[in-house]
Amino acid sequence: EPEVTQTPSHQVTQMGQEVILRCVPISNHLYFYWYRQILGQKVEFLVSFYNNEISEKSEIFDDQFSVERPDGSNFTLKIRSTKLEDSAMYFCASSEVGPGLADYNEQFFGPGTRLTVL
Amino acid sequence: DAKTTQPNSMESNEEEPVHLPCNHSTISGTDYIHWYRQLPSQGPEYVIHGLTSNVNNRMASLAIAEDRKSSTLILHRATLRDAAVYYCILRDPFYNQGGKLIFGQGTELSVKP
Repeated sequence: EPEVTQTPSHQVTQMGQEVILRCVPISNHLYFYWYRQILGQKVEFLVSFYNNEISEKSEIFDDQFSVERPDGSNFTLKIRSTKLEDSAMYFCASSEVGPGLADYNEQFFGPGTRLTVL
Repeated sequence: DAKTTQPNSMESNEEEPVHLPCNHSTISGTDYIHWYRQLPSQGPEYVIHGLTSNVNNRMASLAIAEDRKSSTLILHRATLRDAAVYYCILRDPFYNQGGKLIFGQGTELSVKP
């Protein structure tokens, strides 16, 4: 069964450093998402991406964050200058169907990347 | 997207049915009811969704109240693998153009052998 993959599974970085989290969505999917979950808290939406541009972003997704689909398979989340509060589990998700076209928008989530900022 | 209310936790015995409730009294006519679950140390996973009619799939059943102000996710025979946090999420496909899912705290289901 196709699945979303994410690398690395765990990333440790120093405050102020740049990190890139990588995701490979399911191959025929066209809609991509990033969410994060701080330990013990809710899963929070960060950004959605379609047709090589951001569809929507949350207040969390400030200028320190960026997303890119550099080739036909990868989808990346970059944090330019990490802060302690960026420590969280970051989940990538993808879906086949567009959100506005139909009710059916099952999102498939990856296993996550645990980011630890020291 | 309208707000949902779920119990913080529930317990079940293995091989017994589980009914997970969700209240959504401010649901709009175009909100779909989605259920996801998050197994320990994993990403969320789609379970089921519906609009007005009850729905069944291989994982679960979704019973939707006639006034749509509440719904119940039914696991017919709980297994230890069903221990997870279950999220009830409303999505309006016409106004939520970004497709985001808004997660609440969910219900943490524990299953006893």
